Amino acid sequence: DGGITQSPKYLFRKEGQNVTLSCEQNLNHDAMYWYRQDPGQGLRLIYYSQIVNDFQKGDIAEGYSVSREKKESFPLTVTSAQKNPTAFYLCASMPGNLPYGYTFGSGTRLTVV
Amino acid sequence: GENVEQHPSTLSVQEGDSAVIKCTYSDSASNYFPWYKQELGKGPQLIIDIRSNVGEKKDQRIAVTLNKTAKHFSLHITETQPEDSAVYFCGAYSSASKIIFGSGTRLSIRP
Repeated sequence: DGGITQSPKYLFRKEGQNVTLSCEQNLNHDAMYWYRQDPGQGLRLIYYSQIVNDFQKGDIAEGYSVSREKKESFPLTVTSAQKNPTAFYLCASMPGNLPYGYTFGSGTRLTVV
Repeated sequence: GENVEQHPSTLSVQEGDSAVIKCTYSDSASNYFPWYKQELGKGPQLIIDIRSNVGEKKDQRIAVTLNKTAKHFSLHITETQPEDSAVYFCGAYSSASKIIFGSGTRLSIRP
């Protein structure tokens, strides 16, 4: 079955460490997105990519980095420069030609300990 | 900048009654409007969408209406059931090739 997979589901990070969240899709979608969701809050865009080897900053890119070396994969690194990284992170993808709804992954909950 | 406003932020309705959630958007170039349902601890799921060349779309108990002139669209859920309890997000596809989301509505269904 086609879908979008995020791993791990839960992640704990010590202060000062970088951590990478995985996002893989087998939907053959061109565009991929990373969102951050805080408790009781909406979805804030971190980074997005419409094609391989290209990506754009979203509204809250500071302290995060991404890469898009393969169409299927769009990993997100939360760096030590992100001062408040504890949140629920959602990855999404969309076909690139016409606007369609995103397909979301099941999310990664990151906690700084 | 591009913005989507969503109201109300919380909504409680009696089981069997209808629920309505409203959104307005700022980008006149927006041409696609999805609605998502998010259950606790899960990723949002697309429940219905509408394109700018259509005024209304219905799928069983769920319907969406769009008023392009007013830049306003709404989600209507009829005959609500306990499993409709969730957070609902509206979105508008912007000219920058991304969906701008509203802030969400927490819907509770009272038995």
